[in-house]
Amino acid sequence: AQKVTQAQTEISVVEKEDVTLDCVYETRDTTYYLFWYKQPPSGELVFLIRRNSFDEQNEISGRYSWNFQKSTSSFNFTITASQVVDSAVYFCALRSIIQGAQKLVFGQGTRLTINP
Amino acid sequence: DTEVTQTPKHLVMGMTNKKSLKCEQHMGHRAMYWYKQKAKKPPELMFVYSYEKLSINESVPSRFSPECPNSSLLNLHLHALQPEDSALYLCASSPLRQRATTEAFFGQGTRLTVV
Repeated sequence: AQKVTQAQTEISVVEKEDVTLDCVYETRDTTYYLFWYKQPPSGELVFLIRRNSFDEQNEISGRYSWNFQKSTSSFNFTITASQVVDSAVYFCALRSIIQGAQKLVFGQGTRLTINP
Repeated sequence: DTEVTQTPKHLVMGMTNKKSLKCEQHMGHRAMYWYKQKAKKPPELMFVYSYEKLSINESVPSRFSPECPNSSLLNLHLHALQPEDSALYLCASSPLRQRATTEAFFGQGTRLTVV
């Protein structure tokens, strides 16, 4: 069974601090994709990053960086120099392909609040 | 155009009402999805349409009735809902292939309140 665990329910930091959101996953698939989505109060799920199971290279995109480690089944997300606009709920998700369609299993989400 | 458009954005309905949620995309995606998200919970998959045919129904009660009239449109018909059905309903679309290398695109959702 697919499972994603985000142990941090809520995180609150002061602007400009660095913050790391944890994600641990379980799957029996040998090939899989992991995702991070951001959900602002407006409700839309905004895609941030996709990582496949064959690529353990860490990635940096501006203030965002991701650390994927298959050995610990983790896919953590770090925001450097956080800003108030980063406040949102962040979801880690594991995707399986069923008959060609994508099924996303989400973690419980981490509500991030950046205080000015 | 990488948008998934959902209407209405907000909906309040009584338990005896019939209403429909609509979703539209023009990215040529042949898979479309309905997710339900309760407050402070993650989205949960309800239905998947592949090539305009229902391919996955995650044991959703029959008071929710999906419809895919064409490759760009997805509807969710609501009838005799309960207050506990109040939630954010998210539509998504994606390419349909076994080795999909792109993500699913989500709409902004419809916030449904059942009174």
